[in-house]
Amino acid sequence: EAGVAQSPRYKIIEKRQSVAFWCNPISGHATLYWYQQILGQGPKLLIQFQNNGVVDDSQLPKDRFSAERLKGVDSTLKIQPAKLEDSAVYLCASSLQIADYNEQFFGPGTRLTVL
Amino acid sequence: AQSVTQLGSHVSVSEGALVLLRCNYSSSVPPYLFWYVQYPNQGLQLLLKYTSAATLVKGINGFEAEFKKSETSFHLTKPSAHMSDAAEYFCAVIHSSNTGKLIFGQGTTLQVKP
Repeated sequence: EAGVAQSPRYKIIEKRQSVAFWCNPISGHATLYWYQQILGQGPKLLIQFQNNGVVDDSQLPKDRFSAERLKGVDSTLKIQPAKLEDSAVYLCASSLQIADYNEQFFGPGTRLTVL
Repeated sequence: AQSVTQLGSHVSVSEGALVLLRCNYSSSVPPYLFWYVQYPNQGLQLLLKYTSAATLVKGINGFEAEFKKSETSFHLTKPSAHMSDAAEYFCAVIHSSNTGKLIFGQGTTLQVKP
């Protein structure tokens, strides 16, 4: 079974530039999550989708971050414009459904450096 | 609100020694608790989870954790450390049963010395 795919793996940009990350979840997984992991911290949920609908985006900085999952499969996360503090690893995860005990499967992440 | 605290950002053990990584939780409802491991440049992998069945939970790679309600703890242990166990470990709690949102601790880096 293929895991969660993410691209690119690494990205270096200047502040005020734009950047986009792509995630393809495990086939059949209805729930998709984007996390931000700043160095030395645990992952923090940015946005959660159930199929193509947003379940939780309470911690997404909506003035600069956006995400979509148009066909309920793969997803993109965009930052425009980027700030220095956006330097982090962006992790995508998926699970079969929303449930307390459903395991979330994580992709390898995209490491973003903003200069 | 649910939260987890991991005591010790770095733990160092010798190969073959006991591994003990500490996690305390705060939850207003019976919690679902998880331990994840992250190897360098990789995503997180589930080690084990507590879902209110047995209080002693066995996971992959010889790890186990015990849920202690009286101590609000969910410490991770392994009897004998292996070099390949060197990684970062995260404790997490479900924030909301409606969304399955995970709240992670700060993480503990495990170093295994030969």
